[in-house]
This record gives sequence, structure tokens and C-alpha cells, in this order.
Amino acid sequence: DQQVKQNSPSLSVQEGRISILNCDYTNSMFDYFLWYKKYPAEGPTFLISISSIKDKNEDGRFTVFLNKSAKHLSLHIVPSQPGDSAVYFCAASAGGSGGGADGLTFGKGTHLIIQP
Amino acid sequence: GAGVSQTPSNKVTEKGKYVELRCDPISGHTALYWYRQSLGQGPEFLIYFQGTGAADDSGLPNDRFFAVRPEGSVSTLKIQRTERGDSAVYLCASSPIAGANYGYTFGSGTRLTVV
Repeated sequence: DQQVKQNSPSLSVQEGRISILNCDYTNSMFDYFLWYKKYPAEGPTFLISISSIKDKNEDGRFTVFLNKSAKHLSLHIVPSQPGDSAVYFCAASAGGSGGGADGLTFGKGTHLIIQP
Repeated sequence: GAGVSQTPSNKVTEKGKYVELRCDPISGHTALYWYRQSLGQGPEFLIYFQGTGAADDSGLPNDRFFAVRPEGSVSTLKIQRTERGDSAVYLCASSPIAGANYGYTFGSGTRLTVV
């Protein structure tokens, strides 16, 4: 039973346009959410996160939106750049923003391809 | 070192053999995590150390898997009687303090292939 779902295995977006990656979760105990970016043969790199007490967090070109009632979050990248081509993982924690130690539960990832 | 170092980067072993995978975390990071990523899947949590002790090993799939961190720095993941289903990329991550909000730094992983 997958607790974190990324239903789009891949997404193709034109350079300069907005990329929107989606993630759904089922576990109501999740209270902290993260996005990771992964290039081939490298480990995942932390991108941006959001606590369940917020509905939006922005960092430069990256914005994460959280809809708790729908158990849905999304990552917006604007404008999209060629270097953004990578696999993006959504992850969730039930450890609490106060520093809980639970391991992260990851989705299967979405392969984002930015076309010139 | 500047990042999390994992060795070897690739390991091919025969079914039934014993393997050890090493993780060298960022200096000073007290929390260390092991994850396993199978083909087409996201990373799956295996075990977490706070200092020298395993604070949560609920993700270890069975008793063939064991991990240690004797001095609170380097960690070794040990797999006995390897099976073909153990083939995956094993990722290690470290964090200054335990907790998702402190951000993990992942290593590049060890790709284990059991033939």
C-alpha cells in the first residue's frame, strides 16, 4: 500500500514554461513534506520542504503548495530550465516539524524532461 | 569530506554470499540513515542511527540485514546470504540532528547486483 503517490512517471515541459509535479498521500499522520531532485548515478538532493501548518513555501523558482484536506501537494518550477531535467521525488515524514526522527516515505518519482 | 561518501559504488556478488556496504557521513552529523532504492521505485527507509545506536530499524526487511555504527561516524550495512531480490541501490544519508526538517544529505549510493 503506497502511502505517497506520484501518478505521473514522466512529464515533458518546454523550456521557460511552468513545470507542475503532483503528489498525493494517504497517511493523515504525515506532517512534513519534502521534494528531492535526483540526477542519474547521484543521490537525491534536497530541494524544498513544507510543514503541514503552512499551505505554501517558496524558494526562488520553486514553490511547493500543500492542500491538507485533499492530501495533495504540488511542486511548481517557473521558469523551467534545461538543468531542471531530473527525477523528482516527493517524500513525507510523520516525525513532526519539531525534529521527529522517522524515516521518510518516498513516492516513486516523476521524470521531468525540459525540452529546448 | 565535504559530502556523504559511500563505498563501493558498485558491487556484484553471487547469490548466498555476504556483503558489506560502507557509509562515511558528513563530519559532525549525528543522524545517519540507510535507504534502499529498487528499480522504478522511490527510496525505502531501512534503518536510522542517532549516534552509535540504532534508533529505528523497522525498515530492515528481515534478519539477513544488519547495520552498525560503532563509533558514531562510519556505518556499515551488512547483508548475509544475499538473494537476487536484494539487488538495488543502497543509499546512505546524514543529518546534523535527527529530523526531516533539518534536511538530509544523501550519498551517491552503492549499486548492489546479486547474480
